[in-house]
Amino acid sequence: GEDVEQSLFLSVREGDSSVINCTYTDSSSTYLYWYKQEPGAGLQLLTYIFSNMDMKQDQRLTVLLNKKDKHLSLRIADTQTGDSAIYFCAVISGSARQLTFGSGTQLTVLP
Amino acid sequence: EADIYQTPRYLVIGTGKKITLECSQTMGHDKMYWYQQDPGMELHLIHYSYGVNSTEKGDLSSESTVSRIRTEHFPLTLESARPSHTSQYLCASSLTAQGGEKLFFGSGTQLSVL
Repeated sequence: GEDVEQSLFLSVREGDSSVINCTYTDSSSTYLYWYKQEPGAGLQLLTYIFSNMDMKQDQRLTVLLNKKDKHLSLRIADTQTGDSAIYFCAVISGSARQLTFGSGTQLTVLP
Repeated sequence: EADIYQTPRYLVIGTGKKITLECSQTMGHDKMYWYQQDPGMELHLIHYSYGVNSTEKGDLSSESTVSRIRTEHFPLTLESARPSHTSQYLCASSLTAQGGEKLFFGSGTQLSVL
Protein backbone atom coordinates (compact mmCIF):
# COMPACT_ATOMS: atom_id res chain seq x y z
CA GLY A 1 0.00 0.00 0.00
CA GLU A 2 0.81 3.65 -0.04
CA ASP A 3 3.43 4.97 2.37
CA VAL A 4 3.59 8.71 3.15
CA GLU A 5 6.54 10.21 5.04
CA GLN A 6 7.06 13.59 6.66
CA SER A 7 9.66 15.04 8.97
CA LEU A 8 8.29 15.46 12.47
CA PHE A 9 9.35 18.99 13.43
CA LEU A 10 10.09 22.36 11.82
CA SER A 11 10.88 25.68 13.50
CA VAL A 12 10.97 29.02 11.70
CA ARG A 13 11.15 32.67 12.65
CA GLU A 14 8.09 34.84 12.25
CA GLY A 15 8.13 36.48 8.82
CA ASP A 16 10.30 33.78 7.24
CA SER A 17 9.04 31.21 4.76
CA SER A 18 8.28 27.67 5.92
CA VAL A 19 8.68 24.64 3.71
CA ILE A 20 7.10 21.37 4.81
CA ASN A 21 8.07 18.30 2.83
CA CYS A 22 6.33 15.01 2.12
CA THR A 23 7.28 11.92 0.13
CA TYR A 24 4.99 9.16 -1.04
CA THR A 25 5.46 5.82 -2.73
CA ASP A 26 2.50 5.16 -5.04
CA SER A 27 3.16 6.68 -8.45
CA SER A 28 -0.53 6.37 -9.33
CA SER A 29 -1.49 8.89 -6.65
CA THR A 30 -4.08 11.20 -8.13
CA TYR A 31 -4.88 13.85 -5.53
CA LEU A 32 -2.52 15.12 -2.85
CA TYR A 33 -3.69 17.19 0.09
CA TRP A 34 -2.40 19.35 2.91
CA TYR A 35 -4.34 19.48 6.18
CA LYS A 36 -3.72 21.70 9.21
CA GLN A 37 -4.46 20.72 12.81
CA GLU A 38 -4.45 23.37 15.51
CA PRO A 39 -4.17 22.34 19.18
CA GLY A 40 -7.29 20.62 20.47
CA ALA A 41 -9.01 20.64 17.09
CA GLY A 42 -9.70 18.36 14.16
CA LEU A 43 -7.95 18.58 10.80
CA GLN A 44 -8.82 21.32 8.34
CA LEU A 45 -8.23 21.00 4.61
CA LEU A 46 -5.81 23.73 3.52
CA THR A 47 -5.24 22.98 -0.13
CA TYR A 48 -4.84 20.16 -2.61
CA ILE A 49 -3.21 19.47 -5.96
CA PHE A 50 -4.08 17.12 -8.77
CA SER A 51 -1.29 14.92 -10.05
CA ASN A 52 -1.20 16.55 -13.49
CA MET A 53 -0.14 19.86 -11.91
CA ASP A 54 3.34 20.92 -10.82
CA MET A 55 2.39 23.88 -8.70
CA LYS A 56 -0.62 25.49 -7.09
CA GLN A 57 -0.66 28.83 -5.32
CA ASP A 58 -3.32 30.07 -2.95
CA GLN A 59 -2.48 33.35 -1.19
CA ARG A 60 0.44 32.60 1.16
CA LEU A 61 0.41 28.89 0.35
CA THR A 62 2.32 27.30 -2.51
CA VAL A 63 2.17 23.58 -3.22
CA LEU A 64 4.89 22.02 -5.35
CA LEU A 65 4.64 18.51 -6.77
CA ASN A 66 7.57 16.57 -8.22
CA LYS A 67 6.00 13.41 -9.61
CA LYS A 68 9.29 11.94 -10.73
CA ASP A 69 10.67 12.01 -7.17
CA LYS A 70 7.22 11.49 -5.57
CA HIS A 71 7.80 14.61 -3.49
CA LEU A 72 5.23 17.14 -2.33
CA SER A 73 5.95 20.36 -0.48
CA LEU A 74 3.96 23.12 1.16
CA ARG A 75 5.51 26.56 1.33
CA ILE A 76 4.01 29.14 3.66
CA ALA A 77 5.17 32.68 2.89
CA ASP A 78 5.54 35.27 5.65
CA THR A 79 4.90 32.70 8.38
CA GLN A 80 2.92 34.00 11.35
CA THR A 81 2.53 32.71 14.90
CA GLY A 82 -1.00 31.66 13.97
CA ASP A 83 0.51 29.20 11.50
CA SER A 84 1.93 27.14 14.37
CA ALA A 85 0.16 23.80 14.05
CA ILE A 86 0.59 20.24 12.84
CA TYR A 87 0.52 19.87 9.06
CA PHE A 88 -0.48 16.57 7.47
CA CYS A 89 0.20 15.48 3.95
CA ALA A 90 -2.36 13.00 2.52
CA VAL A 91 -2.61 11.20 -0.80
CA ILE A 92 -5.15 9.11 -2.61
CA SER A 93 -4.32 6.82 -5.48
CA GLY A 94 -6.50 5.54 -8.27
CA SER A 95 -6.92 2.16 -6.62
CA ALA A 96 -7.25 3.29 -3.02
CA ARG A 97 -10.60 4.03 -1.46
CA GLN A 98 -9.27 6.12 1.42
CA LEU A 99 -6.69 8.78 2.02
CA THR A 100 -3.30 7.79 3.36
CA PHE A 101 -1.97 10.35 5.82
CA GLY A 102 1.61 11.15 6.70
CA SER A 103 2.62 11.28 10.35
CA GLY A 104 2.37 15.07 10.50
CA THR A 105 4.92 17.89 10.84
CA GLN A 106 4.79 20.08 13.94
CA LEU A 107 5.49 23.65 12.78
CA THR A 108 6.63 26.05 15.48
CA VAL A 109 6.85 29.75 14.64
CA LEU A 110 9.26 31.66 16.86
CA PRO A 111 8.82 35.39 17.50
CA GLU B 1 -17.59 25.68 6.79
CA ALA B 2 -17.91 21.99 7.60
CA ASP B 3 -20.81 20.86 9.77
CA ILE B 4 -19.60 17.80 11.60
CA TYR B 5 -19.98 17.48 15.34
CA GLN B 6 -18.48 15.21 17.94
CA THR B 7 -19.58 14.77 21.52
CA PRO B 8 -18.30 14.73 24.14
CA ARG B 9 -15.14 16.81 23.63
CA TYR B 10 -13.51 15.28 26.68
CA LEU B 11 -14.36 12.07 28.54
CA VAL B 12 -12.70 10.57 31.60
CA ILE B 13 -14.03 7.18 32.67
CA GLY B 14 -13.06 4.14 34.67
CA THR B 15 -11.92 0.80 33.32
CA GLY B 16 -14.69 -1.56 32.26
CA LYS B 17 -17.27 1.09 31.43
CA LYS B 18 -19.23 1.06 28.18
CA ILE B 19 -18.98 4.29 26.21
CA THR B 20 -20.34 5.71 22.98
CA LEU B 21 -18.67 8.54 21.12
CA GLU B 22 -21.12 10.49 19.00
CA CYS B 23 -20.52 11.89 15.53
CA SER B 24 -23.06 13.70 13.37
CA GLN B 25 -22.82 15.58 10.10
CA THR B 26 -25.40 17.74 8.38
CA MET B 27 -23.80 17.80 4.93
CA GLY B 28 -25.47 14.65 3.59
CA HIS B 29 -22.10 12.94 3.00
CA ASP B 30 -22.30 9.22 2.33
CA LYS B 31 -18.79 8.44 3.55
CA MET B 32 -17.79 8.69 7.20
CA TYR B 33 -14.66 7.71 9.09
CA TRP B 34 -13.23 7.24 12.57
CA TYR B 35 -9.55 7.91 13.20
CA GLN B 36 -7.53 7.31 16.35
CA GLN B 37 -4.74 9.81 16.87
CA ASP B 38 -1.63 9.00 18.89
CA PRO B 39 -0.09 11.53 21.26
CA GLY B 40 2.74 11.50 18.73
CA MET B 41 0.30 12.86 16.14
CA GLU B 42 -0.06 9.93 13.69
CA LEU B 43 -3.60 9.18 12.48
CA HIS B 44 -4.88 5.61 12.29
CA LEU B 45 -8.08 4.71 10.43
CA ILE B 46 -10.13 2.38 12.64
CA HIS B 47 -13.57 2.33 10.96
CA TYR B 48 -15.28 3.69 7.89
CA SER B 49 -18.68 3.62 6.24
CA TYR B 50 -19.71 4.26 2.67
CA GLY B 51 -23.40 4.57 3.43
CA VAL B 52 -26.30 3.43 5.57
CA ASN B 53 -25.88 -0.13 6.89
CA SER B 54 -22.31 -0.25 5.52
CA THR B 55 -19.38 -0.42 7.95
CA GLU B 56 -15.81 -1.62 7.50
CA LYS B 57 -12.78 -2.00 9.73
CA GLY B 58 -9.83 0.23 8.96
CA ASP B 59 -6.10 -0.29 8.93
CA LEU B 60 -5.67 -0.35 12.70
CA SER B 61 -7.33 -3.14 14.63
CA SER B 62 -9.69 -1.74 17.23
CA GLU B 63 -11.91 -3.25 19.89
CA SER B 64 -14.50 -0.60 19.16
CA THR B 65 -17.60 -1.07 17.01
CA VAL B 66 -19.58 1.35 14.85
CA SER B 67 -23.04 1.55 13.36
CA ARG B 68 -24.57 3.54 10.50
CA ILE B 69 -28.33 3.46 10.75
CA ARG B 70 -28.77 7.01 9.47
CA THR B 71 -26.69 8.92 6.93
CA GLU B 72 -25.91 11.72 9.34
CA HIS B 73 -24.95 9.65 12.38
CA PHE B 74 -21.89 7.41 12.91
CA PRO B 75 -21.42 6.52 16.59
CA LEU B 76 -18.44 4.56 17.94
CA THR B 77 -18.88 2.23 20.93
CA LEU B 78 -16.43 0.63 23.32
CA GLU B 79 -18.13 -2.17 25.29
CA SER B 80 -15.48 -2.27 28.02
CA ALA B 81 -13.00 0.58 28.11
CA ARG B 82 -9.38 -0.02 29.09
CA PRO B 83 -6.45 2.36 29.71
CA SER B 84 -5.00 1.32 26.32
CA HIS B 85 -8.03 3.00 24.70
CA THR B 86 -6.88 6.39 25.97
CA SER B 87 -6.48 8.50 22.84
CA GLN B 88 -7.92 11.26 20.69
CA TYR B 89 -10.74 10.03 18.42
CA LEU B 90 -11.51 12.02 15.28
CA CYS B 91 -14.60 11.59 13.12
CA ALA B 92 -14.69 12.72 9.50
CA SER B 93 -17.01 12.70 6.53
CA SER B 94 -16.12 13.12 2.90
CA LEU B 95 -17.38 14.49 -0.33
CA THR B 96 -16.29 12.94 -3.60
CA ALA B 97 -16.19 15.69 -6.20
CA GLN B 98 -13.76 17.72 -8.24
CA GLY B 99 -10.72 17.69 -6.03
CA GLY B 100 -10.97 14.02 -5.24
CA GLU B 101 -11.92 12.97 -1.73
CA LYS B 102 -12.12 15.96 0.60
CA LEU B 103 -12.42 15.05 4.26
CA PHE B 104 -14.11 17.26 6.82
CA PHE B 105 -13.19 16.58 10.44
CA GLY B 106 -14.95 17.07 13.72
CA SER B 107 -13.12 18.63 16.67
CA GLY B 108 -12.41 15.25 18.22
CA THR B 109 -13.09 13.46 21.50
CA GLN B 110 -10.21 13.15 23.95
CA LEU B 111 -10.81 9.91 25.86
CA SER B 112 -8.98 9.08 29.07
CA VAL B 113 -9.57 5.68 30.68
CA LEU B 114 -8.34 5.37 34.25
